[in-house]
Amino acid sequence: GAGVSQSPSNKVTEKGKDVELRCDPISGHTALYWYRQSLGQGLEFLIYFQGNSAPDKSGLPSDRFSAERTGGSVSTLTIQRTQQEDSAVYLCASTVSGAGIGKNIQYFGAGTRLSVL
Amino acid sequence: AQSVSQHNHHVILSEAASLELGCNYSYGGTVNLFWYVQYPGQHLQLLLKYFSGDPLVKGIKGFEAEFIKSKFSFNLRKPSVQWSDTAEYFCAVNAYNFNKFYFGSGTKLNVKP
Repeated sequence: GAGVSQSPSNKVTEKGKDVELRCDPISGHTALYWYRQSLGQGLEFLIYFQGNSAPDKSGLPSDRFSAERTGGSVSTLTIQRTQQEDSAVYLCASTVSGAGIGKNIQYFGAGTRLSVL
Repeated sequence: AQSVSQHNHHVILSEAASLELGCNYSYGGTVNLFWYVQYPGQHLQLLLKYFSGDPLVKGIKGFEAEFIKSKFSFNLRKPSVQWSDTAEYFCAVNAYNFNKFYFGSGTKLNVKP
């Protein structure tokens, strides 16, 4: 596709329910990031996928959060037993890989706004 | 852990006023620096970046930023803002070629026509 696609755009759920958020990166981009943006806060790194390498999960806030990336493309972020503090905008970004990952421009999706009641 | 501070959370300017948004980071080593912008209803997109060389970098739409290593700063500037610059601006830092990018909390700029 032309850009990073995230779905759903909005998700309202009840406390305790599980939710799945989807990210479809730009074709050919092998690196994928998930971020969380809580109200008034910056983007908080959650997890990073690079090709077939083991993901960097160091930003996941608890074991209720998990993510996978199938076939090196689409990624799903799962939040189990949602809590009210999980309410935030979840952003996905993809980038081309290559030497100097830190120099690569990230292309962001529109985000999923999660509201936990 | 690294941190990025944007001290101006909300800035209101009239058209043609000059803009400077502050960004300070905490990492002491070599860094890659970015400013991203989010216009109303749009995705976050890159405004400009600094990797090395001339510490004054120019980006799109007349924006520029200056890297001052001694001050751990990467402030964003524009000599004369337009109403269309109304957006939220995020500073981001990457510790040289590691995986993670650290973002500031953002500055909302409101330009009055």
